[in-house]
Formats: sequence, structure tokens, C-alpha cells
Amino acid sequence: AQSVTQLGSHVSVSEGALVLLRCNYSSSVPPYLFWYVQYPNQGLQLLLKYTTGATLVKGINGFEAEFKKSETSFHLTKPSAHMSDAAEYFCAGNFGNEKLTFGTGTRLTIIP
Amino acid sequence: DTAVSQTPKYLVTQMGNDKSIKCEQNLGHDTMYWYKQDSKKFLKIMFSYNNKELIINETVPNRFSPKSPDKAHLNLHINSLELGDSAVYFCASSPSGKNTIYFGEGSWLTVV
Repeated sequence: AQSVTQLGSHVSVSEGALVLLRCNYSSSVPPYLFWYVQYPNQGLQLLLKYTTGATLVKGINGFEAEFKKSETSFHLTKPSAHMSDAAEYFCAGNFGNEKLTFGTGTRLTIIP
Repeated sequence: DTAVSQTPKYLVTQMGNDKSIKCEQNLGHDTMYWYKQDSKKFLKIMFSYNNKELIINETVPNRFSPKSPDKAHLNLHINSLELGDSAVYFCASSPSGKNTIYFGEGSWLTVV
């Protein structure tokens, strides 16, 4: 069965430090992978996506993620954290069955 | 010019009541969804419609009944509301296939 796993339900980083949010997937078919961000009391906003082609994808707000098939991973990174990055981040996969399967989310806290 | 809009955003109601959440998308997409986000922020698909036809029904109680009058609208009606129905309900849409899913702003339902 296809699944998405996010390691670490809470991640805290200092302002200006590297942000690394981990996502692994399990799938028997090539996946499409996504990162969404949810700010408090708001909806889900797409950060970036991987479908095919280039494995390093860049998204909004300075985020990027790299699809690594050998590691079944799609980790989200940002070189320098900003206070406005504090939010809940969701990794999700589409495994060809017309729906998104979400990870359990990672709450990112930025320390001033 | 909101892409996926849902109403109401906040809804507080008593147990046993019947309520509806409306959703409209102006993106021309063929597929629409309802997702539920529980108190632990976990997101799970409830229903998916493609061109007004139900294609996914993920073991949701019969008290939940989606209705799609046309491919731009997917409403969610809930009968006999229970405390456990308290959650955030997200409407979403996408073109057919493994493409990006666009979410609405969410409807915060509280059953008291």
C-alpha cells in the first residue's frame, strides 16, 4: 500500500538556520510528490511539487525539495529560516489513484 | 477571483442537527474532493467526484452525503451531527490525472 511518512511532528530551528523537514514515501508506482504549508486557521497552500524530470524542485518562499528514488525520500529544505516560515507542513503523494495521501504533518517553529 | 471557495468558514452547531458546506471552483477542473482534517491535523480524503460522478468514497458514515450539481460545485451535507464530526473540512479540485490538487480555505465545524 502506498504511504507517506513525515519524520518529526515538531521541528524547531533558529532564525537564519537551515530548515530540513523529512518525508519518505512507499509506493509500487512512480509517485507525484507535493509539499503543502498550512498557516494557523488557514487552508493548504502548495509549496512545490515533483512530477517527472528534474529531481530538484524549487518552490515558493525559498523552499526546495529533492526527489531521491533510491532513498524513497522527498525532503523539504530552506537555507535560512525566517520567522514567517512558522507553520504546519504536509508532505503528500499521488500514486495514480486520483487522490492525495498525506503525511501526518510537521509543525515548524522558528526561534528568534 | 478565489479558485476554490467554500462556505461557511466557521460553523458551530448542536448535536443532532443537519448542516451543509458548499464548495465551488472556477478553475475548470474535472475533479473535486472533500478532505477532513481532524484535531491532530491529520488529513484524509472523504470523497472524490469526477464530472459529477462519485469515484472515491473512503468509508465515510452514511450521514455524510456529497452532492455535485455540476462539475464546478461539490457540496457536503451532514445529517445528525455528532461530537466526533468536529473537524476542518477542505474542499479541493484538480484536473483529471496525477496533477496538483488545489484546496479551499477550509470550513471549521464545531459540534457542541
